[in-house]
Amino acid sequence: NAGVTQTPKFQVLKTGQSMTLQCAQDMNHEYMSWYRQDPGMGLRLIHYSVGAGITDQGEVPNGYNVSRSTTEDFPLRLLSAAPSQTSVYFCASSYSITGGVSYTFGSGTRLTVV
Amino acid sequence: KNQVEQSPQSLIILEGKNCTLQCNYTVSPFSNLRWYKQDTGRGPVSLTIMTFSENTKSNGRYTATLDADTKQSSLHITASQLSDSASYICVVSARGFQKLVFGTGTRLLVSP
Repeated sequence: NAGVTQTPKFQVLKTGQSMTLQCAQDMNHEYMSWYRQDPGMGLRLIHYSVGAGITDQGEVPNGYNVSRSTTEDFPLRLLSAAPSQTSVYFCASSYSITGGVSYTFGSGTRLTVV
Repeated sequence: KNQVEQSPQSLIILEGKNCTLQCNYTVSPFSNLRWYKQDTGRGPVSLTIMTFSENTKSNGRYTATLDADTKQSSLHITASQLSDSASYICVVSARGFQKLVFGTGTRLLVSP
């Protein structure tokens, strides 16, 4: 049981490049979400999904796209990377929106945009 | 505005000593409050979760308390160990809202 798996762990992009951060969970959780963590700030919600085929925006969605074609996978796409997107990104999953004890985070992707 | 504030921002204690971290929140209507431990370079890991009716919950050497009337919570660490060095994040969820509200965390360093 791997939990929530994020890849890659580290990535350096040039401004304007695109990439996809991968997130997969094997716990059959319906709810998945993406957060970014910046120094001195709490985790901020980017996008979330309450089930396959359903996604919605969080509080900082600009510059990011998501899709949810399967229950297991929830990739985050950066269409045209900007230095302001330098951050650590966490994927999380749970049985319900506000989670309870099932709320599980991945180990993160550290992204640097130069 | 829903907010979670934690204090202190950082703390250094000697190994074996106890410490208490604070969390104040303005999230309403309250659903639950949880404490996470985040090791450097890792994702947050849940320590405790408390609902409105619970005022204390323990997980080994970690004991969380909740006062829903004053909207305050604390995390007490007993007999600290070097492995307790991490950031501790307070997270509150509101009933009917589709997101969690995160505090900025307290960075704890346990020194030998």
